Amino acid sequence: NAGVMQNPRHLVRRRGQEARLRCSPMKGHSHVYWYRQLPEEGLKFMVYLQKENIIDESGMPKERFSAEFPKEGPSILRIQQVVRGDSAAYFCASSPPNPTYEQYFGPGTRLTVT
Amino acid sequence: GNSVTQMEGPVTLSEEAFLTINCTYTATGYPSLFWYVQYPGEGLQLLLKATKADDKGSNKGFEATYRKETTSFHLEKGSVQVSDSAVYFCALTANAGGTSYGKLTFGQGTILTVHP
Repeated sequence: NAGVMQNPRHLVRRRGQEARLRCSPMKGHSHVYWYRQLPEEGLKFMVYLQKENIIDESGMPKERFSAEFPKEGPSILRIQQVVRGDSAAYFCASSPPNPTYEQYFGPGTRLTVT
Repeated sequence: GNSVTQMEGPVTLSEEAFLTINCTYTATGYPSLFWYVQYPGEGLQLLLKATKADDKGSNKGFEATYRKETTSFHLEKGSVQVSDSAVYFCALTANAGGTSYGKLTFGQGTILTVHP
């Protein structure tokens, strides 16, 4: 059973460009979470999605950031008009539909804004 | 709101030394508690968990006991190895009404370095 997959692993964008980060959850998992890890800090929750629904986006910046988890295909975290402060590691996690309280993390996407 | 506080690092130990990393939390209701480990350049791996008071989570020689009276979930290992060098994160998820809300709140992480 493949784990959570994220791509790309490394992404370099110039200021003002768009960044698209993809996450494929583990097989059978219908819940997806995105977290951001800024340098020298812990992980901060961004958004929690189920298929075609955003359940909680309380950790998302109000502007430029959006997330989706379509019926088919991976979950996408989109950052428009990136700025240097967006440079971070972005981790996706998934969990099964039953409440096991466990989340399984992907390897992360390291975004660098130049 | 919910919060997790970990002991400040970094922690440097010699091989076979005893390890304790302190973790305390603030949460409403009855959270589930976790320790995650992050090796260099990788994502987080679940190390152990406890879902109710007095539960002990254990894995790979690591242990942590859910102490509701002291709101703590300290991580311990009797004899560390060089391969245990990593960043350790304490985390909680608050489960309202018995359903898995899911959102994890993390501590700031503790860097552990073990020397031969």
